[in-house]
Amino acid sequence: DAKTTQPTSMDCAEGRAANLPCNHSTISGNEYVYWYRQIHSQGPQYIIHGLKNNETNEMASLIITEDRKSSTLILPHATLRDTAVYYCIVRVLGRDSNYQLIWGAGTKLIIKP
Amino acid sequence: DAGVIQSPRHEVTEMGQEVTLRCKPISGHDYLFWYRQTMMRGLELLIYFNNNVPIDDSGMPEDRFSAKMPNASFSTLKIQPSEPRDSAVYFCASRTGGRYYGYTFGSGTRLTVV
Repeated sequence: DAKTTQPTSMDCAEGRAANLPCNHSTISGNEYVYWYRQIHSQGPQYIIHGLKNNETNEMASLIITEDRKSSTLILPHATLRDTAVYYCIVRVLGRDSNYQLIWGAGTKLIIKP
Repeated sequence: DAGVIQSPRHEVTEMGQEVTLRCKPISGHDYLFWYRQTMMRGLELLIYFNNNVPIDDSGMPEDRFSAKMPNASFSTLKIQPSEPRDSAVYFCASRTGGRYYGYTFGSGTRLTVV
């Protein structure tokens, strides 16, 4: 089962910052938070990941609360091409002592002109 | 880098027929994953390989599904016999075993069983 909960859908105006929340209250101390997005008819695309510090790359910023029970993905200047389903995922330990991503339902983000 | 390559892009087949989906991972990636995506169930992990060896196939729905990875650059997912409920988009993804665990996904194969 997914270890994250996200709103089903959100709207954001083009050019504004899109803030996507995620709750992961049962996350363990060594489990990372990953964000992917899936644009219609394409495969999921990696965005960013983090453990406890805030992270930023060319696509987005990831803000993780101090207790690590929730996080927020920020797209600083949303464009129409950012319309997609955004998945917040907790990376868990798999059978071969390596890591797996457990996918939830995601948030459908619609950017409006 | 051509990314993860899947073929065919679309497949329409009749119930009872054998279907084979193909995947070429990114060179140097030692993990390969097969996922299935439907509206009802979302993205489900079917099986994954590490260095061509199947590690976890607990997501494979039933014996009609099988997957192989004969070498580091090729994997197949086979359904025999196919059923209408197998209709879905099937994604292949690969990643390295290093510190960065980001997956790279292919464009998927849309399978329709009629």
